[in-house]
Amino acid sequence: GAGVSQSPRYKVAKRGQDVALRCDPISGHVSLFWYQQALGQGPEFLTYFQNEAQLDKSGLPSDRFFAERPEGSVSTLKIQRTQQEDSAVYLCASIPQLGLAYEQYFGPGTRLTVT
Amino acid sequence: SQQGEEDPQALSIQEGENATMNCSYKTSINNLQWYRQNSGRGLVHLILIRSNEREKHSGRLRVTLDTSKKSSSLLITASRAADTASYFCATDERFSGGYNKLIFGAGTRLAVHP
Repeated sequence: GAGVSQSPRYKVAKRGQDVALRCDPISGHVSLFWYQQALGQGPEFLTYFQNEAQLDKSGLPSDRFFAERPEGSVSTLKIQRTQQEDSAVYLCASIPQLGLAYEQYFGPGTRLTVT
Repeated sequence: SQQGEEDPQALSIQEGENATMNCSYKTSINNLQWYRQNSGRGLVHLILIRSNEREKHSGRLRVTLDTSKKSSSLLITASRAADTASYFCATDERFSGGYNKLIFGAGTRLAVHP
């Protein structure tokens, strides 16, 4: 079946612009994660959803970052008033069930460049 | 902040050689996973080893885990040019909400030359 998809794949924003990044997880997957990956680094956790509930947003770097998953499927990560330090690849991942140790299924990511 | 540190940061080998990457982490874990990331693509899961396991195999991959030393290694045998990628270890912390949050290291960049 289809994997995790993300759009757009590339986004260039001028500093101060708002951006919205979309994630379509694998159908039926309960858990959804967002990660931020800076150049040359490993991904860093941003936020976690269990169905439509955002249970953990401890990794969001500032109040300019906002994520939602209103119907428990598609998720959107919004960044307001983008700054140059927001330039990174934003990865979305999903897992079918709760609790047990599962591999995370990652999308291809959205590369955000803030100029 | 990142939990794990991979060693080496970069590795360059010839096809057919073995590649060994090491990962160290800081806190107690439930599981440790290895992922591969090709240039411009997302992360692909390779293998998961539980904290009560010491070794696991999957095809040409062999993973070891030493919880007393808080370290893991990934061995790729008989490497191929297609193995060229970045490799990340990730540990997970179990939270009361019943989910496991992955914490990644900085990765090892492997180049396999034909």
